[in-house]
Amino acid sequence: TQLLEQSPQFLSIQEGENLTVYCNSSSVFSSLQWYRQEPGEGPVLLVTVVTGGEVKKLKRLTFQFGDARKDSSLHITAAQPGDTGLYLCAKGPNRDDKIIFGKGTRLHILP
Amino acid sequence: ETGVTQTPRHLVMGMTNKKSLKCEQHLGHNAMYWYKQSAKKPLELMFVYNFKEQTENNSVPSRFSPECPNSSHLFLHLHTLQPEDSALYLCASSRGATSGTTDTQYFGPGTRLTVL
Repeated sequence: TQLLEQSPQFLSIQEGENLTVYCNSSSVFSSLQWYRQEPGEGPVLLVTVVTGGEVKKLKRLTFQFGDARKDSSLHITAAQPGDTGLYLCAKGPNRDDKIIFGKGTRLHILP
Repeated sequence: ETGVTQTPRHLVMGMTNKKSLKCEQHLGHNAMYWYKQSAKKPLELMFVYNFKEQTENNSVPSRFSPECPNSSHLFLHLHTLQPEDSALYLCASSRGATSGTTDTQYFGPGTRLTVL
């Protein structure tokens, strides 16, 4: 079983600070996805990374896929209360590889 | 609004009850999924349907019975559940994967199920 380890499990920081959360595995992935889930809602896809070393930016969010395609990070600059939520990383999915989720990082931005 | 709706949003049931969860997608997708999200576990894939055919059952107990009458609707029939089945049940849909490409899933808001 390919496990995805996310760290930290919980993070509470002040508005305006920067933060990084991580997603790690011992296995190589063909692709990796990041989702955000807000209370009372389902996960919403933020980004898909496919190429080792790839960096994608979504406003204040920067996603990086490790060179070996075994890990990924999400960096948030100048966090806002609207960034509060559960951040999930997921392996895949594609026809040959079913999706597997990490347990997530629960982020709380204090105003 | 993701284009995937789920009803009911909240459900409380006893262990002897029979109930059903409903999911509907308005995205023209061909694949639909049921997931279970518990407090202390990763999101767990339960069932996958492609073009109305079940293509994956992830060792789910028989007290959970899925039904997919068409590509837009998915049901999860529940009977004689246990308290440990209390969780958020999420439905998702996707276009349906072709080999080598990533298939993006769109999630509904979930049904919060409590089994007493």
